[in-house]
Amino acid sequence: DAGVIQSPRHEVTEMGQEVTLRCKPISGHNSLFWYRQTMMRGLELLIYFNNNVPIDDSGMPEDRFSAKMPNASFSTLKIQPSEPRDSAVYFCASSFGQGNQPQHFGDGTRLSIL
Amino acid sequence: GENVEQHPSTLSVQEGDSAVIKCTYSDSASNYFPWYKQELGKRPQLIIDIRSNVGEKKDQRIAVTLNKTAKHFSLHITETQPEDSAVYFCAANSGTYKYIFGTGTRLKVLA
Repeated sequence: DAGVIQSPRHEVTEMGQEVTLRCKPISGHNSLFWYRQTMMRGLELLIYFNNNVPIDDSGMPEDRFSAKMPNASFSTLKIQPSEPRDSAVYFCASSFGQGNQPQHFGDGTRLSIL
Repeated sequence: GENVEQHPSTLSVQEGDSAVIKCTYSDSASNYFPWYKQELGKRPQLIIDIRSNVGEKKDQRIAVTLNKTAKHFSLHITETQPEDSAVYFCAANSGTYKYIFGTGTRLKVLA
């Protein structure tokens, strides 16, 4: 079982650049979640998909953030343009079924915007 | 909106003692309550969960209790060890798909 796979593990880039984070959910899981974790705000849910369809993106902080899930095995979270306050650890998680099932997290992407 | 409150924010215990972390949820429709452990620099990992049709669940040194009437649930760790040191998050499901997470408890087990 490969688990949830995220790439890159670390990203350092300059303010204004486009950043793309990638996630491969566990095979067979049909729900995918993007979270952001910071010391100040804790673990925040940004957006989640079910059967590749975005269900709730109310956690996306600004229009600079966008997420896609073109198929059941791949999702991206894009920030354009990036800002220093976007620096955080971004986690992807997946689950099978609805909210009464365990979510399994990837190892995260540590993003630093200079 | 719906929320989950978690206490305490930090907890220090001597090795071998017990640790208890408490959470309160607001969504009366919540029926699934997972607990995650996050070590420094690592991902949150599910350690135990409980569903609303059960009042208590144990797994070796870890147990979780649920009081639906009071909307409280708690994590109990017995015979704590240094490797139990981590941040622990409680969560409650809300709506069809998502969780609401607590703000985390930093547990330090002193050798």
